[in-house]
Amino acid sequence: AQKITQTQPGMFVQEKEAVTLDCTYDTSDPSYGLFWYKQPSSGEMIFLIYQGSYDQQNATEGRYSLNFQKARKSANLVISASQLGDSAMYFCAMREGPGYNKLIFGAGTRLAVHP
Amino acid sequence: GAVVSQHPSWVICKSGTSVKIECRSLDFQATTMFWYRQFPKQSLMLMATSNEGSKATYEQGVEKDKFLINHASLTLSTLTVTSAHPEDSSFYICSAPGAGASEQYFGPGTRLTVT
Repeated sequence: AQKITQTQPGMFVQEKEAVTLDCTYDTSDPSYGLFWYKQPSSGEMIFLIYQGSYDQQNATEGRYSLNFQKARKSANLVISASQLGDSAMYFCAMREGPGYNKLIFGAGTRLAVHP
Repeated sequence: GAVVSQHPSWVICKSGTSVKIECRSLDFQATTMFWYRQFPKQSLMLMATSNEGSKATYEQGVEKDKFLINHASLTLSTLTVTSAHPEDSSFYICSAPGAGASEQYFGPGTRLTVT
């Protein structure tokens, strides 16, 4: 079974609009972490936002917010006021358990921001 | 934040030769490092977990005799692709976890082309 599912291969958004990128996950471990990364064409992985399974509030980092719905096992990324520079691949990832554990990545969503 | 470097950033080698990729944590110690492979337009797939002072742990389906991993110090892990073939051409990325739950530092990646 897929641990991390991103169902949107590609998304389009108009500049200055908000966009939501979907991510659902599957784990039986009560302790886990959810990450979102941006990967531009250069290939570097840029950390955007993190949500711990025990965090009471949804994470926010500037224009990025994470809509964490634990019961539904979803962790959608919301980008507000999209900019042309937001065009990139976006990956959702999960770490199961505490400590120095590996990340499992979703298939990714390619976001294109149009002027 | 912490920095992870990779060397080389890109390499072209002939089929049948071996190539070594280095991953260094520049300003922190990493007892664990992770190696990922990313084919074009695909997600990051974990290949192995590199453990300082002990054998690496390989993911299912990854040939440990082909992808040799050595974690000789707290700041350096190396991945050697032995007897490379064109199908090994890929983007290889390493990462190292930091002290905090949200900390996972990625190297800039190495693009390997086998001709």
